[in-house]
Amino acid sequence: AQSVTQLDSHVSVSEGTPVLLRCNYSSSYSPSLFWYVQHPNKGLQLLLKYTSAATLVKGINGFEAEFKKSETSFHLTKPSAHMSDAAEYFCVVSRTGGGADGLTFGKGTHLIIQP
Amino acid sequence: DADVTQTPRNRITKTGKRIMLECSQTKGHDRMYWYRQDPGLGLRLIYYSFDVKDINKGEISDGYSVSRQAQAKFSLSLESAIPNQTALYFCATSDVAGYSTGELFFGEGSRLTVL
Repeated sequence: AQSVTQLDSHVSVSEGTPVLLRCNYSSSYSPSLFWYVQHPNKGLQLLLKYTSAATLVKGINGFEAEFKKSETSFHLTKPSAHMSDAAEYFCVVSRTGGGADGLTFGKGTHLIIQP
Repeated sequence: DADVTQTPRNRITKTGKRIMLECSQTKGHDRMYWYRQDPGLGLRLIYYSFDVKDINKGEISDGYSVSRQAQAKFSLSLESAIPNQTALYFCATSDVAGYSTGELFFGEGSRLTVL
């Protein structure tokens, strides 16, 4: 069994300030973890993924996430927010090699960027 | 043109009507998926297909059916629509590697409203 909890439904930051989107997971297996981003009226796009290699994962557009097994967390960060980062972000868990049909999506965090 | 195209993008219908949502892709992927997104919830898998002859139920298949007409086409049908099927529907694709790593490519979504 697996689950994922995104701790904030909405996060608001000012442009140029750091972004932190929090995600905790639960998995009976060695997990794979992902962050997907959904811009308004667009489909989801893979931002980054962790699949048991380096625990600090770098993604597109300056985002990165750190897998912390002891804390069962996979928080998404960016040093400096840009207006174009405004979107919905989904944390996703799967067992390693488990297949796309075994993905469990979080409920999403809406990121708001204030000018 | 988008790699994964969904039609229609928006549809309003009445209870009891039959509805078909269509998905076509130019990525050459074998695997295709239909997801449903509800406000405040993550995506949930409805059906998925590994090839034309291989169709599988997902987490929430009741009330839905699918057809894989060709490698590039995967349709979702609601035989008799009901209001709680009002949602945003996404089609997604992956190749074999993407299936294992959880990397999916999404269409822009079909918003369905059932009155």
